[in-house]
Amino acid sequence: GDSVTQMEGPVTLSEEAFLTINCTYTATGYPSLFWYVQYPGEGLQLLLKATKADDKGSNKGFEATYRKETTSFHLEKGSVQVSDSAVYFCALSSSASKIIFGSGTRLSIRP
Amino acid sequence: GAVVSQHPSRVICKSGTSVKIECRSLDFQATTMFWYRQFPKQSLMLMATSNEGSKATYEQGVEKDKFLINHASLTLSTLTVTSAHPEDSSFYICSARDRGGFYYGYTFGSGTRLTVV
Repeated sequence: GDSVTQMEGPVTLSEEAFLTINCTYTATGYPSLFWYVQYPGEGLQLLLKATKADDKGSNKGFEATYRKETTSFHLEKGSVQVSDSAVYFCALSSSASKIIFGSGTRLSIRP
Repeated sequence: GAVVSQHPSRVICKSGTSVKIECRSLDFQATTMFWYRQFPKQSLMLMATSNEGSKATYEQGVEKDKFLINHASLTLSTLTVTSAHPEDSSFYICSARDRGGFYYGYTFGSGTRLTVV
């Protein structure tokens, strides 16, 4: 079945460091891909999405490119801030209309 | 943008009682709603999918008689945890999807932390 695999955390970086959180997927057909962010004690917020191959989603300095050839959707940010500390979930939506989540990556940014 | 309101945000109840959690789409019609459960420091586990006016479809291993889901209108879905026990304590999150799906994507509520004592 469809699945999402993302790098395990926690990831700890210093402020202004470069961030990459890897995400790969397995799916039949052509899923849409998402990154969601969850701040402590809150629900999930959509960070960015891409609906077809080679699309680049971007928001708040974060970017991810839908790579069909490598079945990847890695999240990147050039310069992280303390306020970016949260849990990040990679997810896909298949033709079955469900969202399938990765296990989440906890990101902590040191001042 | 699309907003989903979920409440209560926190609830504490006694073992054996029932708790209802509401999820409302405020500015769009949610033809499909999803209910998730999240254990501490873990990912979201899909419990059930409900379409407006239809019975919910439950994921394998989720007791439909314990977790009652109602999706009576295009803007409201409820999850009732019946005869709650301490092992039902968890973070419950709803998600709503509009007809187009990809226009708004999936919008999540802010979650409900249920503690059963």
